[in-house]
Amino acid sequence: DTAVSQTPKYLVTQMGNDKSIKCEQNLGHDTMYWYKQDSKKFLKIMFSYNNKELIINETVPNRFSPKSPDKAHLNLHINSLELGDSAVYFCASSLGTSGRRDNEQFFGPGTRLTVL
Amino acid sequence: GQSLEQPSEVTAVEGAIVQINCTYQTSGFYGLSWYQQHDGGAPTFLSYNALDGLEETGRFSSFLSRSDSYGYLLLQELQMKDSASYFCAVRLGNTDKLIFGTGTRLQVFP
Repeated sequence: DTAVSQTPKYLVTQMGNDKSIKCEQNLGHDTMYWYKQDSKKFLKIMFSYNNKELIINETVPNRFSPKSPDKAHLNLHINSLELGDSAVYFCASSLGTSGRRDNEQFFGPGTRLTVL
Repeated sequence: GQSLEQPSEVTAVEGAIVQINCTYQTSGFYGLSWYQQHDGGAPTFLSYNALDGLEETGRFSSFLSRSDSYGYLLLQELQMKDSASYFCAVRLGNTDKLIFGTGTRLQVFP
């Protein structure tokens, strides 16, 4: 039933480790996103894929690497984790870059990453 | 750069009306969205304005003035469950890229 799902919901790890967050949407959407929400609740886009193709790549350290095996999945791999990476990471999806007037993005439940 | 400004906090009582303002300075403006986020939850879509004017959806309405780079979200007949953070977000150009505002925490009291 879940529209956009993410795993894991919580992730606690040590500095320097490598971790992945998985995201899946069953809405048939063409576009998927990764957002980072910091402790002050500031929500910032990191990446966007449209039909497995990278279309938005914000100024993000190259330790972060997204991967889209198909248009229903967008995973986020983070290498050499740092304290400043602690945040909530949200996956989202939308119909696509069609120029349609409605622009609803559907967000997953979030993954709270804590780096110790 | 891109910036969206919102009040950090608004308080109101049940049954009241509250307006949350958003002023923006962005390049390639295409439309203004509003999202609601409860503590510990995910942002959920409320409304989208691409043209000037008021859009009404039940108890919530959203307004846009492109010439003033300004919009607002109007919440009527406030309920306790409306206590949440509200974010405006600008859609840039003809893409789905959203730049989010700083968020407004709304607290509704009985």
